[in-house]
Amino acid sequence: QKEVEQDPGPLSVPEGAIVSLNCTYSNSAFQYFMWYRQYSRKGPELLMYTYSSGNKEDGRFTAQVDKSSKYISLFIRDSQPSDSATYLCAMSASSGTASKLTFGTGTRLQVTL
Amino acid sequence: KAGVTQTPRYLIKTRGQQVTLSCSPISGHRSVSWYQQTPGQGLQFLFEYFSETQRNKGNFPGRFSGRQFSNSRSEMNVSTLELGDSALYLCASSPDLNQPQHFGDGTRLSIL
Repeated sequence: QKEVEQDPGPLSVPEGAIVSLNCTYSNSAFQYFMWYRQYSRKGPELLMYTYSSGNKEDGRFTAQVDKSSKYISLFIRDSQPSDSATYLCAMSASSGTASKLTFGTGTRLQVTL
Repeated sequence: KAGVTQTPRYLIKTRGQQVTLSCSPISGHRSVSWYQQTPGQGLQFLFEYFSETQRNKGNFPGRFSGRQFSNSRSEMNVSTLELGDSALYLCASSPDLNQPQHFGDGTRLSIL
C-alpha cells in the first residue's frame, strides 16, 4: 500500500463548478502538506503549503488538513478552463527529513466551457 | 526573480552510457532536491543537498549520485543507464531546510 493515496481521475467539471480534490495518507509522522499544480510539459507549481491540521485559503483555493483522519483536501471555487491540469498532493515529516516530499499519483482535472 | 533552471530540457542516451543533469536554484535558495517522475511510479524523491552536503537520499541504486556546489547549483549523475531510467528528472529548491520547495520544468531523459 502506498503511503499517499490519490484518485487519479480524470475529473471533468463545467466552468464555474466547485472542485474537490483529496488525498489520504498512512504515515502519522507527516506534518507538512502541500498541493502542486502541474501543466503538461511543465514542472509542479506550488499552490498551497500548510503545517499540521486546519484550513488555509488563498484566492479561489482552500486547503484543508484533518490529521485525525489522515485526510487532506483542496477546494477550487469558480473553476476556470485554465485550472485544467494535474493536481498533486505532497507531504513530509518534520525536522531532518522535511525536505523529502512524498507525492500522491496526481488527479487530472479538466474544466470544460 | 528567475525560477529554478534545469538544463538540458531534453536528452537522449543509449543503455550503458552515463548522463549529467544540471540545476540552478532560485537565487538565495540553499537547499536543492531531485525527484524522478514516471507514469508508473509518479514523483519519487532521489536526494537533497544543503550547503554542499547530501542530507537525505531516496531508495535509488548507487548509479544515481549528485553534488552541490558552493553557489548552490547542483548536478545529478546517472551511470550505466538502463531503459527504466527514462523519466522526467525534476529539481526543486527552497530557501532553507523545512521550507516550501519550488520546482523547475525538468529534464526529460529518454534511454534507447
